[in-house]
Amino acid sequence: EVQLVESGGGLVQPGRSLRLSCETSGFTFSNYWMNWVRQAPGKGLEWVANIKQDGSETYYVDSVKGRFTISRDNAKNSLYLQMNNLRAEDTAVYYCARGMIIAANWFDPWGQGNLVTVSS
Amino acid sequence: EIVLTQSPATLSLSPGERATLSCRASQSVSSYLAWYQQKPGQAPRLLIYDASNRATGIPARFSGSGSGTDFTLTISSLEPEDFAVYYCQQRSNWPPATFGQGTRLEIK
Repeated sequence: EVQLVESGGGLVQPGRSLRLSCETSGFTFSNYWMNWVRQAPGKGLEWVANIKQDGSETYYVDSVKGRFTISRDNAKNSLYLQMNNLRAEDTAVYYCARGMIIAANWFDPWGQGNLVTVSS
Repeated sequence: EIVLTQSPATLSLSPGERATLSCRASQSVSSYLAWYQQKPGQAPRLLIYDASNRATGIPARFSGSGSGTDFTLTISSLEPEDFAVYYCQQRSNWPPATFGQGTRLEIK
């Protein structure tokens, strides 16, 4: 069974940092693009970032460029999101999502999500 | 950035009825459109990709159609578990991949 389990979220003050992790199992992690998608409370979905199978390519939504860094460790089957200089508008549930083999940007499946709250 | 507009915002129907949800793109996305279902407190689930292909394990009552700028998700006969929020998403022109604002399908 494919599983993605996020961790590392919580309450953080504006301007501080947080690192999210996504541990995966049930598939060959190194064969897939991986993504982070977020959802602000009561709002819709926003793609945040993705990373190629070998980590050689990364892409970000403009609102997080220069502040967030996506990375992966294929030996540990894990995905990460380093979030620096956090803002109130970064408050959201963060999902890790696997890309499909045929297309990096179809998201299937998703983890259960991890809430990040940025507030003083 | 491609903007996706979903309509209606809310759709009220009864079990057994047919549901038709729309997604319009601000420019052509060819067939690079997907649909997701999200139930309260749960992660989204991929239903349809490439406009009309059902994802693994998705029942046949779900179907997608369209190309270019206009797309439709149809649920042929609503089951109680189908009442949820539905999002469309494009990957034609990325980054970023973008989502519509969602359609809430509620029980009438």
